Amino acid sequence: LAKTTQPISMDSYEGQEVNITCSHNNIATNDYITWYQQFPSQGPRFIIQGYKTKVTNEVASLFIPADRKSSTLSLPRVSLSDTAVYYCLVGRFYNQGGKLIFGQGTELSVKP
Amino acid sequence: KAGVTQTPRYLIKTRGQQVTLSCSPISGHRSVSWYQQTPGQGLQFLFEYFSETQRNKGNFPGRFSGRQFSNSRSEMNVSTLELGDSALYLCASSQGTEAFFGQGTRLTVV
Repeated sequence: LAKTTQPISMDSYEGQEVNITCSHNNIATNDYITWYQQFPSQGPRFIIQGYKTKVTNEVASLFIPADRKSSTLSLPRVSLSDTAVYYCLVGRFYNQGGKLIFGQGTELSVKP
Repeated sequence: KAGVTQTPRYLIKTRGQQVTLSCSPISGHRSVSWYQQTPGQGLQFLFEYFSETQRNKGNFPGRFSGRQFSNSRSEMNVSTLELGDSALYLCASSQGTEAFFGQGTRLTVV
């Protein structure tokens, strides 16, 4: 299972774009990259998943370079409610027998 | 489409007791996995069930056990509770590469 490295914490202000980069040098060919958001005392919420290039949904974009050794989660125009911990995971859930490996995550603090 | 449902949301138990937590996965999802989250250890994998069979197990003592029923609902049991078992217990369901989590059960052992 590929290990991920991401910043422990980040600060931002309302209305700004936030980019959180995750390093995963040992990513395997069949691995997907998935990001989760977690608020205190709640379960992680699936944000976005991708395999290569760029993926966009209604809440975020995920940029994956050609070598796939890193990925960047982009949150456009953050608000106070985006203050949370963001986890980057690498793997193929189904084939891993359901074992997701969570790192420390990035604690994002959005200020007014 | 209903999400992953965990019951109860909160639980207080006494040391030495046992507890059973329940998880109803998203309809159609056959894989259910369980995680323990504590401030010190973060999110740690407990075990995963698929079609009533445990496919994977984390590094937890035998006091932690689980099972899955034919309708994919899953339960986890913790026997002989210790103070250190106080945590947020999360379950996730999946049918492919995406996993979706429930709100969790907050267990407090006193």
